Amino acid sequence: KAGVTQTPRYLIKTRGQQVTLSCSPISGHRSVSWYQQTPGQGLQFLFEYFSETQRNKGNFPGRFSGRQFSNSRSEMNVSTLELGDSALYLCASSLAGGRTSERGYTFGSGTRLTVV
Amino acid sequence: AQTVTQSQPEMSVQEAETVTLSCTYDTSESDYYLFWYKQPPSRQMILVIRQEAYKQQNATENRFSVNFQKAAKSFSLKISDSQLGDAAMYFCAYEGRRGGADGLTFGKGTHLIIQP
Repeated sequence: KAGVTQTPRYLIKTRGQQVTLSCSPISGHRSVSWYQQTPGQGLQFLFEYFSETQRNKGNFPGRFSGRQFSNSRSEMNVSTLELGDSALYLCASSLAGGRTSERGYTFGSGTRLTVV
Repeated sequence: AQTVTQSQPEMSVQEAETVTLSCTYDTSESDYYLFWYKQPPSRQMILVIRQEAYKQQNATENRFSVNFQKAAKSFSLKISDSQLGDAAMYFCAYEGRRGGADGLTFGKGTHLIIQP
């Protein structure tokens, strides 16, 4: 059974550019969540998608957006990149998006974004 | 809002010995889940153990066990017979009543070093 796949693994962008990150959840999982991990702020919840609908969003500016497709794959987009957006972006999937099963969330290996 | 606090930025233990990682949390909810996740250098977050708040019995997974004190809002992880492969960042995480829709709240993490 394939795990959660995030692409690309590494990315370098210039300030002001925009970036799109991709996440393919485990087959059958309909909920996809995104997290930002930085040394200073730790892991912070970005947003969660379930059945192509964003159900909640963390405390991030509007430059951060996302979407989910009918096959449950998700993308997140960051526009007008700032140096502070440099982080590891992790995607997690779960079956139904409500209370997690005994296996909790399954995380991908993340995309390391560096903004220069 | 829920908060999760890990007061030990770094812990060191000799191989084969026992180590305990601390975690406290704050919430007004009575129904929630708590997790310990491990993040090795590969970056993927791996579920170590999960505790449901309404269960009084402490969760156990092989060498990993928790001490869940609901009244004190404390959730520590004990690793017995530490192995070199246990070296990683460990994160304590909280999942509230709405589950994935609100995302997980993570602590800042504890870096566990295993000395041979």
